[in-house]
Amino acid sequence: EAEVAQSPRYKITEKSQAVAFWCDPISGHATLYWYRQILGQGPELLVQFQDESVVDDSQLPKDRFSAERLKGVDSTLKIQPAELGDSAMYLCASRPDFGNTEAFFGQGTRLTVV
Amino acid sequence: AQSVTQPDIHITVSEGASLELRCNYSYGATPYLFWYVQSPGQGLQLLLKYFSGDTLVQGIKGFEAEFKRSQSSFNLRKPSVHWSDAAEYFCAVGAHAGNMLTFGGGTRLMVKP
Repeated sequence: EAEVAQSPRYKITEKSQAVAFWCDPISGHATLYWYRQILGQGPELLVQFQDESVVDDSQLPKDRFSAERLKGVDSTLKIQPAELGDSAMYLCASRPDFGNTEAFFGQGTRLTVV
Repeated sequence: AQSVTQPDIHITVSEGASLELRCNYSYGATPYLFWYVQSPGQGLQLLLKYFSGDTLVQGIKGFEAEFKRSQSSFNLRKPSVHWSDAAEYFCAVGAHAGNMLTFGGGTRLMVKP
């Protein structure tokens, strides 16, 4: 069964360091999302891509976060510099660009900033 | 702006008992509604979804949910809970299937033996 792949699963980084997460969506899925889930809360959208184009990044803290999907396939989310408040689960999801198909989520990357 | 409220942060039920998790949404048009389940340290798994049609929808693992437009609710139910159902449950709303989802704060379900 096709899955959204994310790596790493866990990441510990020091405050002020740079950190990056990678997501490989299900093959053929044009839409890709990055969500952030703070412990004890529901996920919140950071950025949505349609192929290689950003559709919505209104909630992305652009002073320190960046996201790219250069070839419209896999995607990277970067934080530089990391802050203590960035500790969270970062979830990637994807969906095909047709019909009423829901988004499929990956296992997430758990980030701890120390 | 759309929003979702899950009034119950924690719920504890006995194994074999029935379950209802509440979800209220705010959205100006007909919403796309979802219930997801998340085990500790894991991603989100879709339990069921409502897009249109029959307001009672069946999902995986014996779950069902009923869309009530007049109450702006989409409550999740299961007639008999199993210990393996212990997890966190999230209700979400979107403008359409491909739209970003707005999630509720989640309800943590604990199951007593």
